[in-house]
Amino acid sequence: GAVVSQHPSRVICKSGTSVKIECRSLDFQATTMFWYRQFPKQSLMLMATSNEGSKATYEQGVEKDKFLINHASLTLSTLTVTSAHPEDSSFYICSARGVGRDEQYFGPGTRLTVT
Amino acid sequence: SQQGEEDPQALSIQEGENATMNCSYKTSINNLQWYRQNSGRGLVHLILIRSNEREKHSGRLRVTLDTSKKSSSLLITASRAADTASYFCATDQGSYIPTFGRGTSLIVHP
Repeated sequence: GAVVSQHPSRVICKSGTSVKIECRSLDFQATTMFWYRQFPKQSLMLMATSNEGSKATYEQGVEKDKFLINHASLTLSTLTVTSAHPEDSSFYICSARGVGRDEQYFGPGTRLTVT
Repeated sequence: SQQGEEDPQALSIQEGENATMNCSYKTSINNLQWYRQNSGRGLVHLILIRSNEREKHSGRLRVTLDTSKKSSSLLITASRAADTASYFCATDQGSYIPTFGRGTSLIVHP
């Protein structure tokens, strides 16, 4: 149990375009989902926390107009990178926490490359 | 800012040996979690230990927590080449948002 999927696993896009990444909890309902960004050989940096049906809470330094997060249901959250630039190239990972649970379960990550 | 800091940053051992990784943190916590990440992949949840617990086991994994020293350790016994990965600790200070350290890169040589 507690499986989280992400789609796509890899995406290459051109500068200026937008990319949407989906995060789904497959076998549990996730009241809260988290989006992280990870650079090579670095730790995970929390970008934002999203609760179903409400606006996401962004960490300091993360542009909310650039990284649009939607948590439309208890099993789906999306991250849209708008007007992507090469510096947005990174590994984006989502995680989900189930109702009444402390553990977070992570998706497999999405490798974004902006050319 | 990062709460947990793993030590060592890198560890290289032979198959069959035990691997010990440490995590130190700065403020009081509700729980501490250990995760494994294979290169280019997502994180796999290993163990959650609560602040009122001192030790937990899961298969070949043993986690200890010393809240007086604000530290935790992850012991992998009888390591295998498949244990090669990065290991992260993450602390929850009550906000239910784990804060990750930089991780320990473990290489197990066959």
